[in-house]
Amino acid sequence: EPEVTQTPSHQVTQMGQEVILRCVPISNHLYFYWYRQILGQKVEFLVSFYNNEISEKSEIFDDQFSVERPDGSNFTLKIRSTKLEDSAMYFCASRGGLAGEGEQFFGPGTRLTVL
Amino acid sequence: GNSVTQMEGPVTLSEEAFLTINCTYTATGYPSLFWYVQYPGEGLQLLLKATKADDKGSNKGFEATYRKETTSFHLEKGSVQVSDSAVYFCALIRGSTLGRLYFGRGTQLTVWP
Repeated sequence: EPEVTQTPSHQVTQMGQEVILRCVPISNHLYFYWYRQILGQKVEFLVSFYNNEISEKSEIFDDQFSVERPDGSNFTLKIRSTKLEDSAMYFCASRGGLAGEGEQFFGPGTRLTVL
Repeated sequence: GNSVTQMEGPVTLSEEAFLTINCTYTATGYPSLFWYVQYPGEGLQLLLKATKADDKGSNKGFEATYRKETTSFHLEKGSVQVSDSAVYFCALIRGSTLGRLYFGRGTQLTVWP
């Protein structure tokens, strides 16, 4: 059964460093998402991506964040200069359906720890 | 705004007990409602959904009914199993969006044999 994969499963970094979180969505899906969950808090939407551009982003997704689909299979989230408060579980999701429809399939997450 | 409120966890039950996890929502328009489940080490999986008022979503013995009058979507199961131990997330999508999910905090369920 096709699934969304994410690497690494756990990333530890120093404050101020750049990190890239990687996701491989399901191959025929067209819509891609990043969410995050700070420990003990809600899962929060970061950004959605369709047709090689951002379709929506939340107030969390500031200039420190960027997304890219570099090669038609990977979908990456970059944090340019990590802060302590970026420590969270980051989930990638993809969907193949029409706008507003279709199940989002989630990856297992990357736990980011910023020291 | 749009938001989802779930009952605080963790919830601990014995096998075959009845489960209720409360979920209420605030949304503009007519949202679709979802329950996602996350088993240890895995991603969030869609458990069930309901797209309009009075719809009942069901899967694997779990049920939830979309109640517009009480803005609720409570998850129930009549007899839980040890294998149901997981984190459960209530979520919504507004009807007019491109599928951004608004999640609750998640409720950890542990079922003991």
